[in-house]
Amino acid sequence: LAKTTQPISMDSYEGQEVNITCSHNNIATNDYITWYQQFPSQGPRFIIQGYKTKVTNEVASLFIPADRKSSTLSLPRVSLSDTAVYYCLVGSPLISSGSARQLTFGSGTQLTVLP
Amino acid sequence: GAVVSQHPSWVICKSGTSVKIECRSLDFQATTMFWYRQFPKQSLMLMATSNEGSKATYEQGVEKDKFLINHASLTLSTLTVTSAHPEDSSFYICSARDPGTGEKLFFGSGTQLSVL
Repeated sequence: LAKTTQPISMDSYEGQEVNITCSHNNIATNDYITWYQQFPSQGPRFIIQGYKTKVTNEVASLFIPADRKSSTLSLPRVSLSDTAVYYCLVGSPLISSGSARQLTFGSGTQLTVLP
Repeated sequence: GAVVSQHPSWVICKSGTSVKIECRSLDFQATTMFWYRQFPKQSLMLMATSNEGSKATYEQGVEKDKFLINHASLTLSTLTVTSAHPEDSSFYICSARDPGTGEKLFFGSGTQLSVL
């Protein structure tokens, strides 16, 4: 399973753009990169997923360089409610024989948005 | 997105009793579900992979006789903490993979277990 490395914590101010980078040097060819958000005492919530280049949805963008050894989650104009822990995971799609590659959580990044 | 329902959201029990936690996929069928455990200020630790119709696969160091997992249908997995002790107090979270969305995992809201 690909190991991920993220900054332990980040601070930002309301209205700013926040970029959180994740390193995954041993990512496999079939691995996707997925980011989750977790608030205290809640289960993680899916934010965005990508395989290469750039992916954008209504809440975030995900930038993946050509070598795929890292990825950057970009949150535009953060608000106080974006204060949470953000996890970067890598994993492969379900393959034959019924075995599934489970996703392993790293330490995550505690993002604190200040007023 | 897909919805995973987890119950109860919190439970308090006496030491030595057993507690069952349910995890349901509401709008999709999940042949595989995952159970995690999370201590305060720490990341999620995978405990086991629950496979519909077969035995669960436990991670190293997780006692299978203590954490019983049953995945009897495509929409329900249960985790039973048997003979609970205070050190079992933790936040337990289940997740399920929606095959229709690739490698996306959808998580339940978690269960806070407190053993007195």
